[in-house]
Amino acid sequence: ELKVEQNPLFLSMQEGKNYTIYCNYSTTSDRLYWYRQDPGKSLESLFVLLSNGAVKQEGRLMASLDTKARLSTLHITAAVHDLSATYFCAVEPGTASKLTFGTGTRLQVTL
Amino acid sequence: NAGVMQNPRHLVRRRGQEARLRCSPMKGHSHVYWYRQLPEEGLKFMVYLQKENIIDESGMPKERFSAEFPKEGPSILRIQQVVRGDSAAYFCASSDRETQYFGPGTRLLVL
Repeated sequence: ELKVEQNPLFLSMQEGKNYTIYCNYSTTSDRLYWYRQDPGKSLESLFVLLSNGAVKQEGRLMASLDTKARLSTLHITAAVHDLSATYFCAVEPGTASKLTFGTGTRLQVTL
Repeated sequence: NAGVMQNPRHLVRRRGQEARLRCSPMKGHSHVYWYRQLPEEGLKFMVYLQKENIIDESGMPKERFSAEFPKEGPSILRIQQVVRGDSAAYFCASSDRETQYFGPGTRLLVL
């Protein structure tokens, strides 16, 4: 059974600081996704990572994938308050198959 | 291009009643997935459908829950004889075999 673990579960950081969220998964997978969820809202797709060594960046967020280590990271650079949300990684073991989600990382950026 | 649509957005039912949740995928998407999110938890896969076919229902509870995606019309998730433990947010996602895009969710409250 595929397991996906995220850490930390909760992250409080000051504006302007850098931090990394980690996502480990237990079996070989085709794709890894990062989503953002605001309280009471749906999931917003941030990144889709397809291959080993993939790196994608959008604004202050950068995601990377190491398929050999079964590890993805979401790096936050110079955090701002608007980034406060819960971030989920999700793994898709095969094309067009179900997603297995991590537990989520609740990020709080303080002024 | 409208996104994934779900209705109702909020649904209140008393124990023992039936709940019907609807999902219209994005235009051109033929794959529909249903996920459930309990409070303060990540999303859990329930069922994956294509038109008129259930592809994977490994996450569906054995009793009271059913799903369909007819040739015409939206996908329906039906919960019979609801219990308080069914209270959750139910998200639908659609894909064209690439990224899964999520709808706004239906928040079900069972009194």
